[in-house]
Amino acid sequence: GNSVTQMEGPVTLSEEAFLTINCTYTATGYPSLFWYVQYPGEGLQLLLKATKADDKGSNKGFEATYRKETTSFHLEKGSVQVSDSAVYFCALTPLSSGNTPLVFGKGTRLSVIA
Amino acid sequence: SAVISQKPSRDICQRGTSLTIQCQVDSQVTMMFWYRQQPGQSLTLIATANQGSEATYESGFVIDKFPISRPNLTFSTLTVSNMSPEDSSIYLCSVGGETQYFGPGTRLLVL
Repeated sequence: GNSVTQMEGPVTLSEEAFLTINCTYTATGYPSLFWYVQYPGEGLQLLLKATKADDKGSNKGFEATYRKETTSFHLEKGSVQVSDSAVYFCALTPLSSGNTPLVFGKGTRLSVIA
Repeated sequence: SAVISQKPSRDICQRGTSLTIQCQVDSQVTMMFWYRQQPGQSLTLIATANQGSEATYESGFVIDKFPISRPNLTFSTLTVSNMSPEDSSIYLCSVGGETQYFGPGTRLLVL
C-alpha cells in the first residue's frame, strides 16, 4: 500500500540554524509528493510540491527534491526563523490527477527559538 | 488555488448531540474530501464526496455516524452524529485537483 514515514519530532532549533526533516515514502507507480505546514491554531497550507522524479519544490526558503532512487522527499531550509515554528506534514497522492486523497505522514513539530 | 471556507470555525458541544460542518469552495470541483485530525495527530481520511453520488467512507467510519451531503459542485456538509468526547478533533475539508487545498478546519470539543 501507500505510506509516508517522517522523522519523529519535536525538533527544536535556534534561529538561523539549518533544518532537515526526513520523509520517505512507499507507493505504487509515480506519486506526487507534497509538504504541508500547519501553524498553531490554523489549517493546512501547501508549502511545496513535486510531481516527478528529480523535481525540486521550493517556497519561502524551503526546498525538497523528489528522489525516486531513495524514495525520499526531505524538507530543508538553510536558515530557520521563529516564524517557521509549526507542524510539517509530508504527503503523497498515488496518482498525479489529484482526484485521490492524500496519504499523510505523522507530522513533525518544529520549534525555533530566538 | 481554490479558496475554501468552513463553518463553524469552532464549537463546544454536549455528548449525544450532532453538529453539521459546512464546506464552501469558490470554484466548481469534482472531488471533495473530509479529514479528521485528532489532538496531536496526523490527518485521517473520513470519506470522499463526489457530487451526485453517495460518499465513499474509509475503514472505521460509517455513514450513520458521519453523514455527508454534496448537493452541488461548490458545497458539502459533514455531520458528526451522537457525539462523544472521542469525537473532539479538527475536521477539515479539502478539494481535489493537481494540488489539494484545505479549508481552515472546524475545531470541535465534545464535553
